[in-house]
Amino acid sequence: DIVLTQSPATLSVTPGDSVSLSCRASQSISNNLHWYQQKSHESPRLLIKYASQSISGIPSRFSGSGSGTDFTLSINSVETEDFGMYFCQQSNSWPQTFGGGTKLEIK
Amino acid sequence: EVQLVESGGGLVKPGGSLKLSCAASGFAFSSYDMSWVRQTPEKRLEWVAYISSGGGSTYYPDTVKGRFTISRDNAKNTLYLQMSSLKSEDTAMYYCARHPNYGNSYYFDYWGQGTTLTVSS
Repeated sequence: DIVLTQSPATLSVTPGDSVSLSCRASQSISNNLHWYQQKSHESPRLLIKYASQSISGIPSRFSGSGSGTDFTLSINSVETEDFGMYFCQQSNSWPQTFGGGTKLEIK
Repeated sequence: EVQLVESGGGLVKPGGSLKLSCAASGFAFSSYDMSWVRQTPEKRLEWVAYISSGGGSTYYPDTVKGRFTISRDNAKNTLYLQMSSLKSEDTAMYYCARHPNYGNSYYFDYWGQGTTLTVSS
């Protein structure tokens, strides 16, 4: 199975900061990497598909980059509504797997 | 509006069985592949079952293969997950999730609100 390692586990930031979250795959997955946001007591929400493709309705401050084994989710000027968990998921091969998540918290 | 509403969760003893349901609305259910994804109490996400739009193809990870069965009734717009030989490590929130309906897209574009399974004696 492909292992996705997210770092850092926790990121403490101040609203207005810009941040980068990392997701590293145990083997190449091309661009078959997707990002989700999960706020407390809610279900996950798709943020970015295929590493860098935007999703309708998602604010433009969210962007993704990377290919192969190294991927980044960037948030330009974090807002208070952005705090929560972020997960990456690979769809390159079965079984589909998720990273362990990064918790974005208020400093 | 796309809606996925899970039900059927509860408290089950180890070795027991349970069947989850997911009622879909707001889209052409029969045209979409679907999956079940669970989230453990430690917040780890794990995909547990996939079914194609017509029901002809199913996939499972080794952790649940032989114990879980995914099915669907397209006439009732409902997805199911039959779980048996339950273990404590199956304790989780179970989400049904939709795959986009274009060419082998195995990410999840919509998720339900989840239903909780607790396996404990």
